[in-house]
Amino acid sequence: DTGVSQDPRHKITKRGQNVTFRCDPISEHNRLYWYRQTLGQGPEFLTYFQNEAQLEKSRLLSDRFSAERPKGSFSTLEIQRTEQGDSAMYLCASSLMDSGNTIYFGEGSWLTVV
Amino acid sequence: AQSVAQPEDQVNVAEGNPLTVKCTYSVSGNPYLFWYVQYPNRGLQFLLKYITGDNLVKGSYGFEAEFNKSQTSFHLKKPSALVSDSALYFCAVRDRPGGYNKLIFGAGTRLAVHP
Repeated sequence: DTGVSQDPRHKITKRGQNVTFRCDPISEHNRLYWYRQTLGQGPEFLTYFQNEAQLEKSRLLSDRFSAERPKGSFSTLEIQRTEQGDSAMYLCASSLMDSGNTIYFGEGSWLTVV
Repeated sequence: AQSVAQPEDQVNVAEGNPLTVKCTYSVSGNPYLFWYVQYPNRGLQFLLKYITGDNLVKGSYGFEAEFNKSQTSFHLKKPSALVSDSALYFCAVRDRPGGYNKLIFGAGTRLAVHP
């Protein structure tokens, strides 16, 4: 069990560019979550997958954001036409399906839009 | 909607003293409650959770939390603080009992343990 892995850990991009983050969940975890965290705030829910199906999206997830989880394994979160307000840490997490199970987080991907 | 509140932005404790980080919740139905810790520039690490059973829950690194239904609280405690406990602590509640277990987080409490 190697934990939730996220890549890249840090990304600096110019405003207007597209960025993509990858998340590899703990093996056999069929639930995968994306959260966003800005400085001094708690994590905010973005979206959630059960296997390959995206079952819930927050209204924080504007149409510039898209997430996929092909084949129910790794997931990607793409941000198109980045804005300075997108600067944040993007956290991925995973869990087993049972509702009492713990959600385990990765180390996060820091995005800085300049 | 489910929510949690962490009323203190920061808690200061001397090393060796007991510590308490407060959390109150608002849920419909039975709460599933969690505590996570975050060190600088790192992700969240799971400490402990309350699902059902004993009101006193023991977790990692000597931390424990007490579920109090009448006061709708789930305070995090440790008998003797260490300098290495200094970090950001988040309380969370599971959204939609019986449904998906998406977590809703509080704003966090910064714990500073002084030598």
